[in-house]
Amino acid sequence: EAQVTQNPRYLITVTGKKLTVTCSQNMNHEYMSWYRQDPGLGLRQIYYSMNVEVTDKGDVPEGYKVSRKEKRNFPLILESPSPNQTSLYFCASSLTGGPLYFGPGTRLLVL
Amino acid sequence: GEDVEQSLFLSVREGDSSVINCTYTDSSSTYLYWYKQEPGAGLQLLTYIFSNMDMKQDQRLTVLLNKKDKHLSLRIADTQTGDSAIYFCAESATGNQFYFGTGTSLTVIP
Repeated sequence: EAQVTQNPRYLITVTGKKLTVTCSQNMNHEYMSWYRQDPGLGLRQIYYSMNVEVTDKGDVPEGYKVSRKEKRNFPLILESPSPNQTSLYFCASSLTGGPLYFGPGTRLLVL
Repeated sequence: GEDVEQSLFLSVREGDSSVINCTYTDSSSTYLYWYKQEPGAGLQLLTYIFSNMDMKQDQRLTVLLNKKDKHLSLRIADTQTGDSAIYFCAESATGNQFYFGTGTSLTVIP
């Protein structure tokens, strides 16, 4: 089944404790991206990647890192999480120029 | 980033048509999308339209694009309770960066 998977789905952590949210797609898509969803703000793009080893900042990149070492994986790294990063995170992928296909989301709470 | 605006809430009676509206500011938008988000789930692509089109119909869904006014609408015919969800409008000029509206919460009253 063609899909985008994210792990974990739910995560509670404390301020400053490094964490990684994994994202994987099996559709051979070149493009992958991360979004956060907050009430009243819709979805905002954090980072995107056009292909392996090619990443770029979206609208809200501060406090996040990404890497794209393989085509199928695009992990999101929070080196030192803070409470304002409490949010619902979505990974998405697409063929270049095509519509986005989303993962199920990761709900993060930073205490 | 670019602005994409939607009204926050819409209520309709089962069997009626729903119309969800969206306005955007980027005059170079090439791709415009509608996504549906059910509770606890990710975003599901409903339909999309290229900027050189005025209308697209797909079963119960009709998308209308007024490029001059930068206005996009999604009409759902014969709305059912299963259509209750949050609907997001999104646009992209380049296929690299996507801008989403705040979402419209559709409630269908039986």
